Amino acid sequence: GNSVTQMEGPVTLSEEAFLTINCTYTATGYPSLFWYVQYPGEGLQLLLKATKADDKGSNKGFEATYRKETTSFHLEKGSVQVSDSAVYFCALSDQGNRDDKIIFGKGTRLHILP
Amino acid sequence: SAVISQKPSRDICQRGTSLTIQCQVDSQVTMMFWYRQQPGQSLTLIATANQGSEATYESGFVIDKFPISRPNLTFSTLTVSNMSPEDSSIYLCSGGGGGSYEQYFGPGTRLTVT
Repeated sequence: GNSVTQMEGPVTLSEEAFLTINCTYTATGYPSLFWYVQYPGEGLQLLLKATKADDKGSNKGFEATYRKETTSFHLEKGSVQVSDSAVYFCALSDQGNRDDKIIFGKGTRLHILP
Repeated sequence: SAVISQKPSRDICQRGTSLTIQCQVDSQVTMMFWYRQQPGQSLTLIATANQGSEATYESGFVIDKFPISRPNLTFSTLTVSNMSPEDSSIYLCSGGGGGSYEQYFGPGTRLTVT
């Protein structure tokens, strides 16, 4: 079945550090891949997405590239800010199933220290 | 995109009672989804709600415990019935579907059962 595995947190970094949060997936069809972010006390927001192999999603300085050969969608940011502190969820939606369900990873909590 | 609101934002309820959570979307969406997020955990899909048909429940969730209504394309309700402390969680609704493979999330309802 479809699944998403992402690195365990919490991840603690200093401001302006480089960020990578690893995400790998298993899918039977042709998934779209997403990163969602959840700020403290809020619901989930779509951060970026990629719908086919080699696509790069980007938003707010974050990037992730859909790597079919390694079944990965790692999230990166070159210089993090304190305001990036949140929980990040990697997710997939399998277009082949056409049921529009999203499967989420367990989430990675990110703490950025000033 | 779509903006989703939920009511109530939080509630404290007594064991054995029921709570109905409302989810309103500012535009028509094909599908609405209800999730549960326990503290520090990822999202677990409870059910998918389409207009004019019964909701489709995931394994481990039943209609008697979590009845759902979807009277139109912009509104849905989830009832948590005969509550116990184990039902304490954040309940999130989302809207999407129709081939876009994206979902837009509400801010969540934080439920505490005493």
